[in-house]
Amino acid sequence: DTGVSQNPRHKITKRGQNVTFRCDPISEHNRLYWYRQTLGQGPEFLTYFQNEAQLEKSRLLSDRFSAERPKGSFSTLEIQRTEQGDSAMYLCASSLGGGNGIAEAFFGQGTRLTVV
Amino acid sequence: QKEVEQNSGPLSVPEGAIASLNCTYSDRGSQSFFWYRQYSGKSPELIMSIYSNGDKEDGRFTAQLNKASQYVSLLIRDSQPSDSATYLCAVPFLGPGYSSASKIIFGSGTRLSIRP
Repeated sequence: DTGVSQNPRHKITKRGQNVTFRCDPISEHNRLYWYRQTLGQGPEFLTYFQNEAQLEKSRLLSDRFSAERPKGSFSTLEIQRTEQGDSAMYLCASSLGGGNGIAEAFFGQGTRLTVV
Repeated sequence: QKEVEQNSGPLSVPEGAIASLNCTYSDRGSQSFFWYRQYSGKSPELIMSIYSNGDKEDGRFTAQLNKASQYVSLLIRDSQPSDSATYLCAVPFLGPGYSSASKIIFGSGTRLSIRP
């Protein structure tokens, strides 16, 4: 399977704990995106990378959230001191990008986080 | 004004009829436009992309783009029960300080229900 892969698929954590999610994009894709989605809403942009560079982070994202893509391949999203409001589906997507155009983004299966 | 706006629905259409889904966007510089389908509990799946004004047809799906009006739509002909899902409109936006790189912003989605 050469699609976008996310791990774990599900995570239940206690409030105040730290969690880390991993995303492996489609191998030739240079752009990688993280989104958060809650019930009845569209995916909310969190951050994105072009190769290893983090080009933008949502202003809505608190300092408890950090993402890395150290070698321009897989990426991790860490949430520190989790709160119940962090419960959501965390989606990763990847695409080819460059110039003025942008190719379609393809999503992984998502990681569902439940903070209890 | 939201960056990407969609009617949340639900939109109920009889089986065999045409379903029409609409989306408006705020960035006049956007060049690419995507439609995704999302079944409950699943991640978004790309179904159409459109880059030029006019219509683009793919099977039962037709995407329509009017850049002057900042409007993109999706028509689904001969609607089937399996088309019941949430349809997400997605548009790349230029990030701050970057001439070409862009994040992809999603609308909140339109819930479509096909009734027998």
